[in-house]
Amino acid sequence: AQSVTQLGSHVSVSEGALVLLRCNYSSSVPPYLFWYVQYPNQGLQLLLKYTSAATLVKGINGFEAEFKKSETSFHLTKPSAHMSDAAEYFCAVTAAYGGSQGNLIFGKGTKLSVKP
Amino acid sequence: EPEVTQTPSHQVTQMGQEVILRCVPISNHLYFYWYRQILGQKVEFLVSFYNNEISEKSEIFDDQFSVERPDGSNFTLKIRSTKLEDSAMYFCASSGDNYEQYFGPGTRLTVT
Repeated sequence: AQSVTQLGSHVSVSEGALVLLRCNYSSSVPPYLFWYVQYPNQGLQLLLKYTSAATLVKGINGFEAEFKKSETSFHLTKPSAHMSDAAEYFCAVTAAYGGSQGNLIFGKGTKLSVKP
Repeated sequence: EPEVTQTPSHQVTQMGQEVILRCVPISNHLYFYWYRQILGQKVEFLVSFYNNEISEKSEIFDDQFSVERPDGSNFTLKIRSTKLEDSAMYFCASSGDNYEQYFGPGTRLTVT
């Protein structure tokens, strides 16, 4: 069984400040991990993914995340927040079966606000 | 850039009516999914579809739900007899062989 916990349903940062959105996962098999972003009234857009290659993965819009197996974490960071980063962010996990494409298990999401 | 499209964007229906939600996945993708998001809650997996059959489904996906790929481009979700609790945003997604699922903009289903 797999699950995702996102700590903090709301995070507020000032423009230019560091963004840190936390995600912890639970998985009985090797996981693949993802971050998605959802802007108001839009669908989910893939930011980045971890699929057992480099543990530090870079995504779009300056975001990156680091897979830490010992901490079962996959936190999302961005060095300097921009107003356009205001959105809801979802962490998701799937099982890394060879050749299969499993369903995504999502966390509850973290709403990021950026103050001018 | 290729994208997943969904129609309609908003569907209002009465309880007990049948609805069909439509999706056009990215053309070279092989895996197709439906998810839903009840207002204020997290995104939940409903069903995945590969090689013209259901590969996985959640306990939400009961006998009232069905999926179909009627031709080479469309992927549909049918709810036979809608209930109030089916009101949600329904997302279609597709993926190739790289585990990246691309989501459509969603269909907001309102059951009255």
